[in-house]
Amino acid sequence: DGGITQSPKYLFRKEGQNVTLSCEQNLNHDAMYWYRQDPGQGLRLIYYSQIVNDFQKGDIAEGYSVSREKKESFPLTVTSAQKNPTAFYLCASIRDSSSTEAFFGQGTRLTVV
Amino acid sequence: RKEVEQDPGPFNVPEGATVAFNCTYSNSASQSFFWYRQDCRKEPKLLMSVYSSGNEDGRFTAQLNRASQYISLLIRDSKLSDSATYLCAVTIYGNKLVFGAGTILRVKS
Repeated sequence: DGGITQSPKYLFRKEGQNVTLSCEQNLNHDAMYWYRQDPGQGLRLIYYSQIVNDFQKGDIAEGYSVSREKKESFPLTVTSAQKNPTAFYLCASIRDSSSTEAFFGQGTRLTVV
Repeated sequence: RKEVEQDPGPFNVPEGATVAFNCTYSNSASQSFFWYRQDCRKEPKLLMSVYSSGNEDGRFTAQLNRASQYISLLIRDSKLSDSATYLCAVTIYGNKLVFGAGTILRVKS
């Protein structure tokens, strides 16, 4: 079955450590996105990529980095520079600019202790 | 100013009620508009796209007002199962997809 997979579902890290969240899709979608969700704040856009080897900063990119070396993969690294990394992280993809629906992964809950 | 704004609610309504949510967007270049539903601790799922002519899907009606830069969602005959967070979303400059903070709906028996 086609879909978008995030792993792991739950992740715990010590403060000051970098951590990479995985996002893989086998939908052959061009565009991929990373969002962060905190209680009461909806989804805030971290980074997005419209094509391989290209990505743009979203509204809250500071402290995060991404890569898009393959069409199906868009990993997100939460660096030690991110002041408050504990959150629910969601990855999404869209087929292309004419598409209407974004498909989401099940999310990764990151807790930094 | 946020690109997409919603009243967070919560909206507490009895079963069978009609409830409406509004969402405003700040960028007049916004191109596409959507309503997503998110259940607690789950990923969002597309409820419906919103077109200039308005569109309806069963008990749900969505409308777009480009002049005033808002979209709306009307839910008729609310069911307990409609309880969720409703997120509006817009695309800007092609593929930048931005969400509002969401509106919480609680339908009670």
